[in-house]
Amino acid sequence: AQSVTQLGSHVSVSEGALVLLRCNYSSSVPPYLFWYVQYPNQGLQLLLKYTSAATLVKGINGFEAEFKKSETSFHLTKPSAHMSDAAEYFCAVRISGGYQKVTFGTGTKLQVIP
Amino acid sequence: EAGVVQSPRYKIIEKKQPVAFWCNPISGHNTLYWYRQNLGQGPELLIRYENEEAVDDSQLPKDRFSAERLKGVDSTLKIQPAELGDSAVYLCASSPASGSVADTQYFGPGTRLTVL
Repeated sequence: AQSVTQLGSHVSVSEGALVLLRCNYSSSVPPYLFWYVQYPNQGLQLLLKYTSAATLVKGINGFEAEFKKSETSFHLTKPSAHMSDAAEYFCAVRISGGYQKVTFGTGTKLQVIP
Repeated sequence: EAGVVQSPRYKIIEKKQPVAFWCNPISGHNTLYWYRQNLGQGPELLIRYENEEAVDDSQLPKDRFSAERLKGVDSTLKIQPAELGDSAVYLCASSPASGSVADTQYFGPGTRLTVL
């Protein structure tokens, strides 16, 4: 069975500081990995996804994530936080090959301090 | 391009009452998903449709939950009767296809259900 673990349910950073949101996955076969963002009272929006091509994936709003098989990690980063980045972020995994359901992590709320 | 539309956005009901949620996916998207998101948790899949066929409903509590997708477009999720533990946000998502590398799901804003 696949799963993801997000370390830290709440993360606070200062405006302009580095954003690092952690995600570790568990999968017996090569996974596809996703990061979604959820703003208050809105649905989830895809930030980026890893589908076994380049290990460094660039997404929208200046976010990127690196797939590290040896560490089973897919951490989300952004060099400089903006106030508008305050939201909840979800890591998700799906087994590659055919249809498999997506399994979401429990989410990390990002607070950006002015 | 219009996104996934859901209604109502909020619903408050007494326990044991019925409730229904409606979803209109992005035009042309064959695959439709219903998720439940409990407070402080990630979304959990309830049911997935390929066109009008429910192809994965293993997580749907069938004693009280039902869903339909008439004509392979709009979908309705129903709970009857509702229980206190059903309080959650119900999310609808759609994608052009499933099982492909380009399987990006597009989410609606959700319906926040409160059962009193």
